[in-house]
Amino acid sequence: QQQVKQSPQSLIVQKGGISIINCAYENTAFDYFPWYQQFPGKGPALLIAIRPDVSEKKEGRFTISFNKSAKQFSLHIMDSQPGDSATYFCAASVGGYQKVTFGIGTKLQVIP
Amino acid sequence: DAGITQSPRHKVTETGTPVTLRCHQTENHRYMYWYRQDPGHGLRLIHYSYGVKDTDKGEVSDGYSVSRSKTEDFLLTLESATSSQTSVYFCAISPPGGEPPYEQYFGPGTRLTVT
Repeated sequence: QQQVKQSPQSLIVQKGGISIINCAYENTAFDYFPWYQQFPGKGPALLIAIRPDVSEKKEGRFTISFNKSAKQFSLHIMDSQPGDSATYFCAASVGGYQKVTFGIGTKLQVIP
Repeated sequence: DAGITQSPRHKVTETGTPVTLRCHQTENHRYMYWYRQDPGHGLRLIHYSYGVKDTDKGEVSDGYSVSRSKTEDFLLTLESATSSQTSVYFCAISPPGGEPPYEQYFGPGTRLTVT
């Protein structure tokens, strides 16, 4: 049973557009929600993260929106660029640094 | 890749043979993890370690064992490799406790093919 459901699995966005990736979770004990970015042939790297006491966090062109009551969170990439083309994973954990549950990933392609 | 190396980077092995993957870190981080990455499944935790000789199972631990005799090394062993264990394996590390972000730093991965 997948504890963190991620959609879509693939996404094509025009350069300059907004990329939106959605995740939903079941375990209300989750208290840390990171997003990881992975380029081909590389390991994932932390992009941005949020705690459930905050509804939104923005870092540059990347924004996490968090809806605690709906148990959903999403990643928005504004002004998407070809260099953003990568696989994005949402994740959740209890206690932060122990068991992290990942979504299945979204392969984003930004076309010129 | 945050002072993490994985060896080998690529390996092809036959069904039924034992295989050991090595993760080595130079960060002196307490927590180490082994994940496998498969299309349609994302990253799934196999085992993790919270200190020397302290390990615990993840969600897909069957068929795998781990050992950690030194802070810097975390070994993943497939006792008898099967084709279902063909995957890309990632090691990750994270510092202990404190304030977030509780970031996990990933290694470059090992591509394992079991024929």
